[in-house]
Amino acid sequence: EAQVTQNPRYLITVTGKKLTVTCSQNMNHEYMSWYRQDPGLGLRQIYYSMNVEVTDKGDVPEGYKVSRKEKRNFPLILESPSPNQTSLYFCASSLMGDARGYEQYFGPGTRLTVT
Amino acid sequence: AQSVTQLGSHVSVSEGALVLLRCNYSSSVPPYLFWYVQYPNQGLQLLLKYTSAATLVKGINGFEAEFKKSETSFHLTKPSAHMSDAAEYFCAVSSFSGGYQKVTFGTGTKLQVIP
Repeated sequence: EAQVTQNPRYLITVTGKKLTVTCSQNMNHEYMSWYRQDPGLGLRQIYYSMNVEVTDKGDVPEGYKVSRKEKRNFPLILESPSPNQTSLYFCASSLMGDARGYEQYFGPGTRLTVT
Repeated sequence: AQSVTQLGSHVSVSEGALVLLRCNYSSSVPPYLFWYVQYPNQGLQLLLKYTSAATLVKGINGFEAEFKKSETSFHLTKPSAHMSDAAEYFCAVSSFSGGYQKVTFGTGTKLQVIP
């Protein structure tokens, strides 16, 4: 089954304790992206990657890191989480390129609470 | 630069009534446009997409949207609302230019269906 998986689904942590949220897709997609969803703000892109070892900042990258060492995996790292990073996080993937619009496939989400 | 504006963060309709969710976009290159739906406690899934083939696009669950270039709009409609349509709906624009893919989401519209 084609899917995007994220782990963990729920996480409560304390300020400053490093954490990683994993994301994996099995569709051989080039493009992967992380979003955070906050009430009234919709989805805002944190980082994206167009292929292995190619990553770039989205609209709200401060406080986050990513890496893309394998095509299928795109972990999100919070090295020193703060309460303002409490949010619902989504990983997404898609094919990439011109001529056709490729829709994104979303993971189930990770609800993060930083106290 | 590109952007998406969804008018109305909350829309209420009676069961059986017309559903109209508004989306306006701006893009410096020909855009690809999408509507996604998010049911409670779930990730986003694609409803429909516009990729320049036809201006009237039909999606799943009886939804459709019309691309109007002159109005820079991509409004989502359904002739008759069903209780199961209650969800949050996101409009998104994607463009591919200079080798880079950029995706921008609107802030979402929560649809309430009143029995």
